[in-house]
Amino acid sequence: ETGVTQTPRHLVMGMTNKKSLKCEQHLGHNAMYWYKQSAKKPLELMFVYSLEERVENNSVPSRFSPECPNSSHLFLHLHTLQPEDSALYLCASSQPPAAGSRTGELFFGEGSRLTVL
Amino acid sequence: QQQVKQSPQSLIVQKGGISIINCAYENTAFDYFPWYQQFPGKGPALLIAIRPDVSEKKEGRFTISFNKSAKQFSLHIMDSQPGDSATYFCAAIVESNDYKLSFGAGTTVTVRA
Repeated sequence: ETGVTQTPRHLVMGMTNKKSLKCEQHLGHNAMYWYKQSAKKPLELMFVYSLEERVENNSVPSRFSPECPNSSHLFLHLHTLQPEDSALYLCASSQPPAAGSRTGELFFGEGSRLTVL
Repeated sequence: QQQVKQSPQSLIVQKGGISIINCAYENTAFDYFPWYQQFPGKGPALLIAIRPDVSEKKEGRFTISFNKSAKQFSLHIMDSQPGDSATYFCAAIVESNDYKLSFGAGTTVTVRA
């Protein structure tokens, strides 16, 4: 079992549906991230939460709405998505630099494969 | 604007051969350069990392070479094994801003037995 768990692993939705992706980390980290991974493209940072406060919103369309109710859980709410939003959505966690962790070490989940029809 | 450019997109190497992946960056403020390894169906995981005050770092069969003046760094996989078949991502970050990790587009390495 990985330290970062994502559900569901696969999701198919229509453009008018509303769904949510869930991420849970068991590592005691204080920062959590959503990344989008598309084929042959760099991982795209979408959102960052540190100590449950959003610290980064990387120009992501409003049809993606994050929620971080506590330091262990992160959600990505999806509504009225487009086919080009089909991708692998990765959740990650890390310790902030002040905690003395190795800078830049992200711990990723296995991802949620999203297909928008 | 892609801050880290990675090549090649894919490579095939025979077992026992050397795999070489190259990355280049523009932002001279970057001061930490990790490599992530991703197996099919899994999330990326940190493999090895380097800071620009050293020109080379080796961990087992994996070596990072760093050329600060050229703003380039590369990953060498020595004695490549079929278990090394994965996608490799280079990345760069400014340590004072831990959240903005910039990734390359990835290189899919296939090691033939």
